[in-house]
Amino acid sequence: KAGVTQTPRYLIKTRGQQVTLSCSPISGHRSVSWYQQTPGQGLQFLFEYFSETQRNKGNFPGRFSGRQFSNSRSEMNVSTLELGDSALYLCASSLRGRNEKLFFGSGTQLSVL
Amino acid sequence: DQQVKQNSPSLSVQEGRISILNCDYTNSMFDYFLWYKKYPAEGPTFLISISSIKDKNEDGRFTVFLNKSAKHLSLHIVPSQPGDSAVYFCAASVDRTTSGTYKYIFGTGTRLKVLA
Repeated sequence: KAGVTQTPRYLIKTRGQQVTLSCSPISGHRSVSWYQQTPGQGLQFLFEYFSETQRNKGNFPGRFSGRQFSNSRSEMNVSTLELGDSALYLCASSLRGRNEKLFFGSGTQLSVL
Repeated sequence: DQQVKQNSPSLSVQEGRISILNCDYTNSMFDYFLWYKKYPAEGPTFLISISSIKDKNEDGRFTVFLNKSAKHLSLHIVPSQPGDSAVYFCAASVDRTTSGTYKYIFGTGTRLKVLA
C-alpha cells in the first residue's frame, strides 16, 4: 500500500506570491490533516478534512486555506506569502480521524524569500 | 497556550542505556496519546500510542507510561541504539464526540542523541 504522498518536495517562492501544496492520502483514508513545522515550534495544526468537509481549523490567518476532493486528495493554499511562512508543511492521513494513529507524508519544504 | 509540553529540548544517552522522554499536558479532556519519531527532512513516523483507560503500553523496546493524575506521559526506550537518534514528538487527542470533531495537539519535540 502506498504511503502518504506530498508534492512538491521543495518549493521556493517570494513574498506576496501564493502557493498550492498537494497531498494524496493512503488509499481508504478519509481524514487528511495539515501541519506546519518550524524550528522550536513543533507541529502546529492547520486544519483537518474528512469526506470533503473541513472539520477542524487551527489558529492560522485566513491566508491559509485548504480543500479536499472526492477521492480524499487534499490541497493546501497559502496566499500573499510572508517570510514567516517558511516551514515544513506536513500532511497526515487516517481512516476516520478519531483517536487513531496518523500517517505522515515526507512534507513540502517551503522557503519564502 | 501550549497544551502539550516537552520541556527538554534535547537528551543524550549512551548506547545500550535507557532513554526517557517526557511530556506534560494541561487538558484533562485528552484521551489518546501518541509518540512519533522524526528524522530530518522526513515526515514523523508513528511509534506507540496509549489510550487514557490504560497506564502502560509496550511495543518491543518502546514503552509508554501515562500518569493521568499528574497529566504526564513518558516514553522509555530500552536499550537505546544509535539509530534511535531523532526528534521525538508526543501528541494528545481529544475526541469531542458532542461536536463530532477531534484535534491532535503536538509538543515541540525532544532531540534524542544516542552516543555509540
